[in-house]
Amino acid sequence: DTAVSQTPKYLVTQMGNDKSIKCEQNLGHDTMYWYKQDSKKFLKIMFSYNNKELIINETVPNRFSPKSPDKAHLNLHINSLELGDSAVYFCASSPPLTYNEQFFGPGTRLTVL
Amino acid sequence: QKEVEQNSGPLSVPEGAIASLNCTYSDRGSQSFFWYRQYSGKSPELIMSIYSNGDKEDGRFTAQLNKASQYVSLLIRDSQPSDSATYLCAVNPGSEKLTFGTGTRLTIIP
Repeated sequence: DTAVSQTPKYLVTQMGNDKSIKCEQNLGHDTMYWYKQDSKKFLKIMFSYNNKELIINETVPNRFSPKSPDKAHLNLHINSLELGDSAVYFCASSPPLTYNEQFFGPGTRLTVL
Repeated sequence: QKEVEQNSGPLSVPEGAIASLNCTYSDRGSQSFFWYRQYSGKSPELIMSIYSNGDKEDGRFTAQLNKASQYVSLLIRDSQPSDSATYLCAVNPGSEKLTFGTGTRLTIIP
């Protein structure tokens, strides 16, 4: 299946732990994104990479570190997890020259206890 | 002022009627506009994109754009219970990112 995939789908962890979320797209897109959707369903951009290069870095705590080993993968590592990090994290990708049409992965629901 | 504003709803529409969803945006330089549908517990799904003033139709969906008024809307004709979802308006202000509204929750009443 051609798609944007994320692992894990659910992540439950304790405060202070470090965790990673992985994202892969096999759509051949050049640009990938991480979004955070909070309990009020507001979807906010965190990071964007174009062909492995960071192009968007919104006001996000530096406990969050994205990494793109190649243009098909964009991972998100979170250090020292806090209660407020609980949210759904979506990965997305977009092809070039499409005015930024973005396609989303299934999401990772992170719960910090 | 929020960059992209939507009425949060809930908006209730009888089955078979027209559902009208509205969105305003603040950046006059915005170039492209999108509607995403998000079912509860699922990811946003792109359903319509529009780039120039006027109407764009795709099946039961019509997107309308008025750049002078900084207004974009989505009409859903012959509404079905399966259309019940949250609809997110997204705007590209000419950069590499999309700015999303907070979404309108639509409920189609059988």
